[in-house]
Amino acid sequence: RKEVEQDPGPFNVPEGATVAFNCTYSNSASQSFFWYRQDCRKEPKLLMSVYSSGNEDGRFTAQLNRASQYISLLIRDSKLSDSATYLCVVNNNNDMRFGAGTRLTVKP
Amino acid sequence: GAGVSQSPSNKVTEKGKDVELRCDPISGHTALYWYRQSLGQGLEFLIYFQGNSAPDKSGLPSDRFSAERTGGSVSTLTIQRTQQEDSAVYLCASSPDTLRYGYTFGSGTRLTVV
Repeated sequence: RKEVEQDPGPFNVPEGATVAFNCTYSNSASQSFFWYRQDCRKEPKLLMSVYSSGNEDGRFTAQLNRASQYISLLIRDSKLSDSATYLCVVNNNNDMRFGAGTRLTVKP
Repeated sequence: GAGVSQSPSNKVTEKGKDVELRCDPISGHTALYWYRQSLGQGLEFLIYFQGNSAPDKSGLPSDRFSAERTGGSVSTLTIQRTQQEDSAVYLCASSPDTLRYGYTFGSGTRLTVV
């Protein structure tokens, strides 16, 4: 089993749609969690941290379920500019493990 | 500088030659990571530095790969006797504290072995 698993997609959604990604991780001792976004032929960039209480940043909501060992990212009112690959990242003692990413395409 | 700087941004080399890739992390960031990413693939962990020491070298794919970090700052990744399968984007990232902040990536070095 991979340490961090994501549905690779692709997710193709119309503008304005709500889309959700899930990510599961195998190491129950993992301590912190992040979502990164990667545009084509660019480096990954931090989108948001994920906290147990859940956190929101504008149209983006991240949630963590430690008992079930999964992380989610919800994007509301999706924009064309949200098209990218979304990477789930799990950190255990500075060992940062990346999922393979979920590809999102938002269409007009 | 304001971000993680990597050089060169692109490198084309002949099979069998050695290459050296450089990463200049954000000032004050103690943790430094190297990853590589082949076209259309996910990130492959290579090595992690905390200060000058490398507590985790488990990701280096072969003994042709080595990395060092001096002065707790600049790091170099060296690939000896390059092979075509080494072609990838090599990404460096740094962080003051990955548990709290995650890390910031450089724009990478695109290595092509011909």
